[in-house]
Amino acid sequence: DQQVKQNSPSLSVQEGRISILNCDYTNSMFDYFLWYKKYPAEGPTFLISISSIKDKNEDGRFTVFLNKSAKHLSLHIVPSQPGDSAVYFCAARGVGAGNNRKLIWGLGTSLAVNP
Amino acid sequence: NAGVTQTPKFRILKIGQSMTLQCTQDMNHNYMYWYRQDPGMGLKLIYYSVGAGITDKGEVPNGYNVSRSTTEDFPLRLELAAPSQTSVYFCASSWQTDLRGEQYFGPGTRLTVT
Repeated sequence: DQQVKQNSPSLSVQEGRISILNCDYTNSMFDYFLWYKKYPAEGPTFLISISSIKDKNEDGRFTVFLNKSAKHLSLHIVPSQPGDSAVYFCAARGVGAGNNRKLIWGLGTSLAVNP
Repeated sequence: NAGVTQTPKFRILKIGQSMTLQCTQDMNHNYMYWYRQDPGMGLKLIYYSVGAGITDKGEVPNGYNVSRSTTEDFPLRLELAAPSQTSVYFCASSWQTDLRGEQYFGPGTRLTVT
């Protein structure tokens, strides 16, 4: 039972174009959503996050949009660069304490940005 | 700062053997975590710790043990290794008070059990 879903295993875009990575969730009991980027043979690194009370957060070329009614968030990368080629994970943080506070991870989307 | 370091990077174990995966962080974070990532899957939480001397189970704790005697170190122990434990293991750490829950990850240990 996947609470955080990334339905596209892979995405290919041209350099300079927009990359849009999508994430859906099934549980409303999340207070933060985070995007991580992972290169091969490395650990995930934090990219950007959004609070559940916001609908947009922007950081340079990266923007995350949250649509709470649709339980959907998306990561936009503009313009895409070859160095953005990586696996992108969506994660959601539960509310409460202890084990409820853990991050729930999607399966990841592999982005390839072609020169 | 080195951040989060993990050793070893790779290991092959035979069924029934045991080993300890080491994790150290130098950021003075009080929260630490162990995850496993199976091929094509997301990360699953094995164990976590909110401070020295305090540990708790995550989603998939069976077959593993942890200890946290210092703020810096959070080793993961595998007893009686099984093929189902073939995976990539990531250690992570975070501030307790980090509003957004950002975790810092080590480079991972790739474990194969045959």
